[in-house]
Amino acid sequence: DTGVSQDPRHKITKRGQNVTFRCDPISEHNRLYWYRQTLGQGPEFLTYFQNEAQLEKSRLLSDRFSAERPKGSFSTLEIQRTEQGDSAMYLCASSFSSAQSYEQYFGPGTRLTVT
Amino acid sequence: SQQGEEDPQALSIQEGENATMNCSYKTSINNLQWYRQNSGRGLVHLILIRSNEREKHSGRLRVTLDTSKKSSSLLITASRAADTASYFCATDAGTDKLIFGTGTRLQVFP
Repeated sequence: DTGVSQDPRHKITKRGQNVTFRCDPISEHNRLYWYRQTLGQGPEFLTYFQNEAQLEKSRLLSDRFSAERPKGSFSTLEIQRTEQGDSAMYLCASSFSSAQSYEQYFGPGTRLTVT
Repeated sequence: SQQGEEDPQALSIQEGENATMNCSYKTSINNLQWYRQNSGRGLVHLILIRSNEREKHSGRLRVTLDTSKKSSSLLITASRAADTASYFCATDAGTDKLIFGTGTRLQVFP
């Protein structure tokens, strides 16, 4: 399967702990996006990369959140000192930037539960 | 923040019926996309319509776009139980990120 993959699929952590999620995009895609989705809502944009450069960050991305894409391939999203309000589905998507296509391909998501 | 709203929030129909859901958005766009999400899973891209297009078809899907009203509709014809899912519209708002609506939860009964 050459789709977007995310690891882990589920994560339960205690408040105050740090967590890190990984996303592997479709190999030829140069753009990678992170979104957060809470129950009953649509996904909300967090940040995105073009190759290894982080081009935009949402104000939702507090100082406790950091994302990297060191070699322009996989990406990690780290949440420090987790809070109960961080409980959500974290979705990764990738795309190939071109004038003809803006489709984003999503991974299955990482469901985070903070207890 | 969400770009707009889908209407209705929930829709229940029988297999074989058509399902229509609407999306309104707030700002100018380059394109509008519809995605499907099965319970607790990732999103699957269904169809993209550009701002200079008014209607687009893909299989049993028909999408319309009215940029003057900042609205779009998704029609699923001859629905199947497998169409049960949440449906989201997403716009680019002139940027590279997607801004999603709140979604329509579709239930198709066999």
